[in-house]
Amino acid sequence: AQTVTQSQPEMSVQEAETVTLSCTYDTSESDYYLFWYKQPPSRQMILVIRQEAYKQQNATENRFSVNFQKAAKSFSLKISDSQLGDAAMYFCAYRSINNAGNMLTFGGGTRLMVKP
Amino acid sequence: SQTIHQWPATLVQPVGSPLSLECTVEGTSNPNLYWYRQAAGRGLQLLFYSVGIGQISSEVPQNLSASRPQDRQFILSSKKLLLSDSGFYLCAWSVGTNNQPQHFGDGTRLSIL
Repeated sequence: AQTVTQSQPEMSVQEAETVTLSCTYDTSESDYYLFWYKQPPSRQMILVIRQEAYKQQNATENRFSVNFQKAAKSFSLKISDSQLGDAAMYFCAYRSINNAGNMLTFGGGTRLMVKP
Repeated sequence: SQTIHQWPATLVQPVGSPLSLECTVEGTSNPNLYWYRQAAGRGLQLLFYSVGIGQISSEVPQNLSASRPQDRQFILSSKKLLLSDSGFYLCAWSVGTNNQPQHFGDGTRLSIL
């Protein structure tokens, strides 16, 4: 079974600065999908970014980008020009391609605080 | 566009009472549906998922059950709630291809007294 680990329970960043959230995973599969979700205080789960393991190019969505290191099984999220609205819990998630139910395995989350 | 509705938003129930949380999806057909529980400050635990009407898979043995009476309706139930059932419950849906994300409802905060 796959596992996802987020080793940073909490992180803080100054507004307008850059922060990187770590995520590692354990799998024996060669192809899979990875996601980052954001959960603000409203508790909604919002998709931030996704990465297909077969793609070497790192995914980017505006101020959010990932550093996908397949050999190291690492999938970190970089937030540039941090804004107060970025304060939230961030969850990394893994999905196997051999998964009839498209189920996700989530990490334990990282709480990001943004200081004005 | 697709939308997901989950209700109620907040629920306070006594120990031993029954439970019914409902989730409906609009704008898509034959979605995969999921129920998660999130304890305070913790990650998401998958409780049930369904790939079609009447098809329910349970990930964690417990006193909760799920049903899918219609294509886009997913219900989480319990006959007798326990204190340990308190938490934040999230419903989610996805389409049948792996590169598509799961989309989540707004959640239900359940408090057991």
